[in-house]
Amino acid sequence: GAVVSQHPSWVICKSGTSVKIECRSLDFQATTMFWYRQFPKQSLMLMATSNEGSKATYEQGVEKDKFLINHASLTLSTLTVTSAHPEDSSFYICSGRRGSGANVLTFGAGSRLTVL
Amino acid sequence: AQSVAQPEDQVNVAEGNPLTVKCTYSVSGNPYLFWYVQYPNRGLQFLLKYITGDNLVKGSYGFEAEFNKSQTSFHLKKPSALVSDSALYFCAVRTNPSGYSTLTFGKGTMLLVSP
Repeated sequence: GAVVSQHPSWVICKSGTSVKIECRSLDFQATTMFWYRQFPKQSLMLMATSNEGSKATYEQGVEKDKFLINHASLTLSTLTVTSAHPEDSSFYICSGRRGSGANVLTFGAGSRLTVL
Repeated sequence: AQSVAQPEDQVNVAEGNPLTVKCTYSVSGNPYLFWYVQYPNRGLQFLLKYITGDNLVKGSYGFEAEFNKSQTSFHLKKPSALVSDSALYFCAVRTNPSGYSTLTFGKGTMLLVSP
């Protein structure tokens, strides 16, 4: 089946540094990638939607200059948390969708970010 | 705006007993409903979906869900729980089966199946 590889699975960084999270679709072309943030005991919150080769569409309240999303190819999307702060500590999950008609998303395993 | 409610943070059930994980939704159009499961240190995995047709939907690992339009519910069920079913379950809804629309997730329900 479709697989999305997300890396790193966990990362610890100092406040003020930037962290890049990669999301790769291994056996399908993800025309659309979604990035979610998951807080403990809370739902997945959609951060942004990106189509390959286009600028990402950010949800209301998500700082686009802080959470940089790149979807340069059909198999790779990246999320860069710039100048990270402790409040950015969270679990970030990507998901890919194969084509606009696909109903089912394939999720990455998630990345646990801890900002000290 | 669409929303999903999972009223239980946690559901406890003994192995072999039937299980139900509740989900209700609110949308302005026709709902398209999904259940995903998240095992520890794993990504979310698709379980089943309701797009149209029979209200009872069968999915992976023996799970099923019943779409009830009058009660705006889509509860997840399994006749006989396994310890390996212990995981975090998410209900999700979208109002467009395809295209650019995205999923809105519930907050998740932790299912704990005891031996």
